[in-house]
Amino acid sequence: AQRVTQPEKLLSVFKGAPVELKCNYSYSGSPELFWYVQYSRQRLQLLLRHISRESIKGFTADLNKGETSFHLKKPFAQEEDSAMYYCARWEGTSYGKLTFGQGTILTVHP
Amino acid sequence: DVKVTQSSRYLVKRTGEKVFLECVQDMDHENMFWYRQDPGLGLRLIYFSYDVKMKEKGDIPEGYSVSREKKERFSLILESASTNQTSMYLCASSLWGRNEQFFGPGTRLTVL
Repeated sequence: AQRVTQPEKLLSVFKGAPVELKCNYSYSGSPELFWYVQYSRQRLQLLLRHISRESIKGFTADLNKGETSFHLKKPFAQEEDSAMYYCARWEGTSYGKLTFGQGTILTVHP
Repeated sequence: DVKVTQSSRYLVKRTGEKVFLECVQDMDHENMFWYRQDPGLGLRLIYFSYDVKMKEKGDIPEGYSVSREKKERFSLILESASTNQTSMYLCASSLWGRNEQFFGPGTRLTVL
């Protein structure tokens, strides 16, 4: 079974500091990976996907096949980045089934 | 804009009760999903459906069943609720062949 691992349940940084949320996946073929975010009292939503190589809200994530990682990074964290973040992997079916990691709660202190 | 709605935001039930959680999406999506969200365990897939009357077990189907009689509606059923089913339940949908899922607001179920 495919696995997605987020080793940190909680991550705290101060405003303006760099932040990195870790995600590792079990190797299998050509993975397609995503980061989803859930802000307080809001629904879970897509933040970014590796295939589009875009930067959303200052966040980037690079797929490292050698290390089987897809870490989410932002050079200068903002208080509004405080949220729950999930890494997810598409299983490659037309059902659109995703495997999610355990999630990391990011808190950015003023 | 995709809209996924869930019938209740909060629900309190007693052990042994039959519980229905409803999810409706308005974008003609073929795929629909039910997850439970627990701290430290992330999102775990309970069941999914890729067409009317079609259903597939996810990772944790025990104690749950589902129903999809119409394309826009996907119901999660707890036949006999137990305290270990206290959780946040999230519904999601996606287009066939696409992997972006759109989520509902969630239902926080407490079983006493």
